[in-house]
Amino acid sequence: NAGVTQTPKFQVLKTGQSMTLQCAQDMNHEYMSWYRQDPGMGLRLIHYSVGAGITDQGEVPNGYNVSRSTTEDFPLRLLSAAPSQTSVYFCASLRTVANTGELFFGEGSRLTVL
Amino acid sequence: AQTVTQSQPEMSVQEAETVTLSCTYDTSESDYYLFWYKQPPSRQMILVIRQEAYKQQNATENRFSVNFQKAAKSFSLKISDSQLGDAAMYFCAYRGPYGGATNKLIFGTGTLLAVQP
Repeated sequence: NAGVTQTPKFQVLKTGQSMTLQCAQDMNHEYMSWYRQDPGMGLRLIHYSVGAGITDQGEVPNGYNVSRSTTEDFPLRLLSAAPSQTSVYFCASLRTVANTGELFFGEGSRLTVL
Repeated sequence: AQTVTQSQPEMSVQEAETVTLSCTYDTSESDYYLFWYKQPPSRQMILVIRQEAYKQQNATENRFSVNFQKAAKSFSLKISDSQLGDAAMYFCAYRGPYGGATNKLIFGTGTLLAVQP
């Protein structure tokens, strides 16, 4: 059971480049989300999804796009990277039916934008 | 909107001693969940302990326990018999009642705990 898998774990981009952070979970979780972690600011929610075909914005959505075509996958797209998007990104999922309350996190992806 | 506040950016404790990390939150909900997550240098987010707001009894997990004061909206974490492996960043987090957008976790800014040998 792999849990929540994020790729890549490290990435360096130049300003203006695009990329996609991949997130996949094999636990049949309905809810998936993306957070970014910055020093002194904790983890802030970027986007989330309550099921396939449904996405919504979190606290800091600007500069990021998401889609949810399947239950398993929830990619995060940066269309034109900016230095302000240098951060550590976490994908997290939750099985809402069981409602245990716990989010399961991926291992994080460190992104540097030069 | 719900908020979570951790007022201690850094804490230090001697090995085998006890330390308490503070967390306060703001919500208008009566039913919700509170969590403490540990993030070691590996950056993996590890669930330490969970508290359901409708439960009056404080949650305990081995050396970790919480002091949940619902009226005061306070949720502190006590680590007993501190070990070197407890050194990490600790995040307090809030999640609303079951369903939809309230599944999102709202995090505090974290407390960096150092354990001195």
